Amino acid sequence: DTGVSQNPRHKITKRGQNVTFRCDPISEHNRLYWYRQTLGQGPEFLTYFQNEAQLEKSRLLSDRFSAERPKGSFSTLEIQRTEQGDSAMYLCVGGSSYNSPLHFGNGTRLTVT
Amino acid sequence: RKEVEQDPGPFNVPEGATVAFNCTYSNSASQSFFWYRQDCRKEPKLLMSVYSSGNEDGRFTAQLNRASQYISLLIRDSKLSDSATYLCVVNGQTGANNLFFGTGTRLTVIP
Repeated sequence: DTGVSQNPRHKITKRGQNVTFRCDPISEHNRLYWYRQTLGQGPEFLTYFQNEAQLEKSRLLSDRFSAERPKGSFSTLEIQRTEQGDSAMYLCVGGSSYNSPLHFGNGTRLTVT
Repeated sequence: RKEVEQDPGPFNVPEGATVAFNCTYSNSASQSFFWYRQDCRKEPKLLMSVYSSGNEDGRFTAQLNRASQYISLLIRDSKLSDSATYLCVVNGQTGANNLFFGTGTRLTVIP
């Protein structure tokens, strides 16, 4: 158990719909990342939170994507007007200090039909 | 140039073989290095951190070469259960917010 839980595990949606994913790290995880991974590729960075502050966003993140981390605890990632290219595994990652290992949630697998 | 590059493989080795993977990184100021293991359709799990002096954990040995900017993972006496994708992860630079992943190296251990 990594202490990072994600919901839902799987999400199937039709193109054009909005989806929201949730990540619950443990309290020690002041750092929280969202990554996206497609089959055969390594995880791609999407965004980073230090406590409640969103400090960095990838250029890959279009304006259809938004993430929040109110109160520096759980985080949500919303995708509006989903496209088939959004189909991927969305991974939430928690960490404490910069040199400490990261802890991955088990991911939310999104399929856009 | 990508921040982290790995040979995607696949590496197919017989049980009991020794296999090594390398991963190169582009930012000389990078501070933290890790190897993660990822099974098919699962999330990555930490295999080991990589320390400057090199470190060993059972059959696994990790090395860091700062001069040449690469890290390596050596697996001795390969087991069938070692079959997975191995991802190297590099902290971009001191204090940077994002980490960089290689695309992963696929290993299959054959009976």
